[in-house]
Amino acid sequence: NAGVMQNPRHLVRRRGQEARLRCSPMKGHSHVYWYRQLPEEGLKFMVYLQKENIIDESGMPKERFSAEFPKEGPSILRIQQVVRGDSAAYFCASSPPDSAYEQYFGPGTRLTVT
Amino acid sequence: RKEVEQDPGPFNVPEGATVAFNCTYSNSASQSFFWYRQDCRKEPKLLMSVYSSGNEDGRFTAQLNRASQYISLLIRDSKLSDSATYLCVVNGIIFGTGTRLQVFP
Repeated sequence: NAGVMQNPRHLVRRRGQEARLRCSPMKGHSHVYWYRQLPEEGLKFMVYLQKENIIDESGMPKERFSAEFPKEGPSILRIQQVVRGDSAAYFCASSPPDSAYEQYFGPGTRLTVT
Repeated sequence: RKEVEQDPGPFNVPEGATVAFNCTYSNSASQSFFWYRQDCRKEPKLLMSVYSSGNEDGRFTAQLNRASQYISLLIRDSKLSDSATYLCVVNGIIFGTGTRLQVFP
């Protein structure tokens, strides 16, 4: 059973460009979470999604950030007009339908904004 | 007051030692407690859930103290491979900043 997959693993963007981060949950998992981790800091919750539905986006910045989890395909975290402060590791996690919050993490995408 | 607080450590212990970490939380209505471990620059890995009645998995024991609003993780017979940062999670999505454990030979 493949684990949570994220791609790309590393992403470099110039200021003002768009970043698209992808996350494929574990097979059979229906919940997806996105977190951001700055160097030497803890994980910060961003958004919790089920298929075609945002359950909790209380951690998402109000502007430039959006997330989706379509019926088919991976979950996407999209950052428009990136700034240097967006440089971080972005982790995705998934959990099974009968055990919300029991999360299994992907390897993360390291975003660097130059 | 932070929602979840952990002593950042590091806790430096010899192999074979017993070590315990606490994690305090501010919201008395909190649910869904977990412990994760995170190795340097890697993703967090689920260690164990924390139930009201406590939870034991091999050398690891997790406890919940609702009255004092903290959860604990006890590691017995520490191994070198236990060296990592241990993250507590409250309400499923609120992560502490972690306690670093270093086990030395």
